[in-house]
Amino acid sequence: GPKVLQIPSHQIIDMGQMVTLNCDPVSNHLYFYWYKQILGQQMEFLVNFYNGKVMEKSKLFKDQFSVERPDGSYFTLKIQPTALEDSAVYFCASSLWGYNYAEQFFGPGTRLTVL
Amino acid sequence: QQQVRQSPQSLTVWEGETAILNCSYENSAFDYFPWYQQFPGEGPALLISILSVSNKKEDGRFTIFFNKREKKLSLHIADSQPGDSATYFCAANTGGADRLTFGKGTQLIIQP
Repeated sequence: GPKVLQIPSHQIIDMGQMVTLNCDPVSNHLYFYWYKQILGQQMEFLVNFYNGKVMEKSKLFKDQFSVERPDGSYFTLKIQPTALEDSAVYFCASSLWGYNYAEQFFGPGTRLTVL
Repeated sequence: QQQVRQSPQSLTVWEGETAILNCSYENSAFDYFPWYQQFPGEGPALLISILSVSNKKEDGRFTIFFNKREKKLSLHIADSQPGDSATYFCAANTGGADRLTFGKGTQLIIQP
């Protein structure tokens, strides 16, 4: 089936540094999402993105977070500066359309460890 | 505030038995309920989904039973196989490009 890829699979950085998580969504998909999962907790929505703009963001999407998708490239989540509580697995998802009930396809996640 | 709850947290059944995974929700506006299956090291993959206008959805060995009045649903896995061992997430949204709200998941182990 359609695949969402995420790079890197693991990232370890020091607190205060910047990190960029990369997502390669399904090629013809138009809607993109980031979710965060802390170990033992449920996956929680961060942000969704369409046509170059953030459509909705949750309270977890702090001012230090930003997303973008320059034409034809990765959908990225940037955290600058990072904090200890940003340690989690970040899942990217994409869907083809935004009406009716569109399946969201998920990547394998990036495990971020902030020291 | 946890809007989607799952139980049990973990479940072990014998091969060939029916595994029953439970889910409940709080938001009456939720309209679409996908169940995702996740294997270690992989992302969640859609297994089966149901809309709130239905009370049952079948796909092979997998069946969702949905009770809108009680805001509860369950995933039944018939004739369970060792390959079904995974974590199962119940999720919900109001449709469209809306965010998915997830439960914490049920870790299912099928004993041969």
